Amino acid sequence: GDSVTQMEGPVTLSEEAFLTINCTYTATGYPSLFWYVQYPGEGLQLLLKATKADDKGSNKGFEATYRKETTSFHLEKGSVQVSDSAVYFCALRIQGAQKLVFGQGTRLTINP
Amino acid sequence: EAGVAQSPRYKIIEKRQSVAFWCNPISGHATLYWYQQILGQGPKLLIQFQNNGVVDDSQLPKDRFSAERLKGVDSTLKIQPAKLEDSAVYLCASSLSVAGGVETQYFGPGTRLLVL
Repeated sequence: GDSVTQMEGPVTLSEEAFLTINCTYTATGYPSLFWYVQYPGEGLQLLLKATKADDKGSNKGFEATYRKETTSFHLEKGSVQVSDSAVYFCALRIQGAQKLVFGQGTRLTINP
Repeated sequence: EAGVAQSPRYKIIEKRQSVAFWCNPISGHATLYWYQQILGQGPKLLIQFQNNGVVDDSQLPKDRFSAERLKGVDSTLKIQPAKLEDSAVYLCASSLSVAGGVETQYFGPGTRLLVL
């Protein structure tokens, strides 16, 4: 079945460090890919998305590139801030459907 | 623009009791979703409505869970009777229905349920 696998957390980094959170997927057809973020005490928010192979989604300094050949959508940021501390979820949407299939989430903590 | 509203925010019940959650989507959003998020896992879709019709309820435990969306606007999710494994955060989301588009789902703050 369709599934998303994220790197195990928690991840702890120092401010201004480089961030990578790995995400790979298994899906039939051509899914759309998403990163959602959940800040402490808040609901899930869409961070970025990509709808076809080689698309790059970007927002708030975060980037992720849809790699069909490696079935991956890794999240990166060049210089993290304390305010980036949150739980990050990778998700896919199967072509022709609307529901999202989520990974298990990766908790990120940034220390000053 | 108001976001997705959910209530209550927290609920503690004993097993075998019943509980209901309420969701009001963003105005004009035709599609409404209920997800279950167990601690340490990603959200899992329970049911999806398009207006007041059910599109997908394949992962809804229908022996104990039920949901309705009256008049295609707000929705309630009910659990009766609750089990310990139902302890989770219940998330409501909504989206526009744009033909051929990749819709963004907007999530509410969730209802945290603890079954004792």
